[in-house]
Amino acid sequence: AQSVSQHNHHVILSEAASLELGCNYSYGGTVNLFWYVQYPGQHLQLLLKYFSGDPLVKGIKGFEAEFIKSKFSFNLRKPSVQWSDTAEYFCAVTTTSGTYKYIFGTGTRLKVLA
Amino acid sequence: NAGVMQNPRHLVRRRGQEARLRCSPMKGHSHVYWYRQLPEEGLKFMVYLQKENIIDESGMPKERFSAEFPKEGPSILRIQQVVRGDSAAYFCASSLNFGQGPTGELFFGEGSRLTVL
Repeated sequence: AQSVSQHNHHVILSEAASLELGCNYSYGGTVNLFWYVQYPGQHLQLLLKYFSGDPLVKGIKGFEAEFIKSKFSFNLRKPSVQWSDTAEYFCAVTTTSGTYKYIFGTGTRLKVLA
Repeated sequence: NAGVMQNPRHLVRRRGQEARLRCSPMKGHSHVYWYRQLPEEGLKFMVYLQKENIIDESGMPKERFSAEFPKEGPSILRIQQVVRGDSAAYFCASSLNFGQGPTGELFFGEGSRLTVL
């Protein structure tokens, strides 16, 4: 069965610090990968997605993620965080066949100090 | 994203009552997913439905919980005889149908927050 692990549950950074959030998935077949963000009191929104092609994916608001197939990883990065990036971040995976069930990680709560 | 509509946004029930949560997917979307969110536990997959079909309900408790997505109208997540442990935020998401399965991203609703007294 698919699973997604996010190792950092809570991260606190100062503005302008660099960010890297880890995401590992467990599935032997072809997958699509996503990062979603949930700002306080809001619904989840897509940050970026990977289907195929260039493993370095750029998303909105300066975020990027790199798919490393050999490590089953899809880590999220941002070179310089802002206070407005304070939110919860979720990694998700879905298979490209079968029941297309989207599985989410437990989330990482990021707090950026002004 | 004004597309996925969930109601009610907040629902308070006493133990033993029934809760019905509704989700209208984005226009043109025929795939609906339900997730439960608890603090520190992230989003737990519950069920995936297409119109008139349950595709995967492996995340849904076997008792008291049911879901449907009729040909007409919204998808309904029904919780019978609620208990305090059912208190959570329930999110609905929809996606496009492309070929034999959904593709692309999930679009989420604002969620329904159930409180069981």
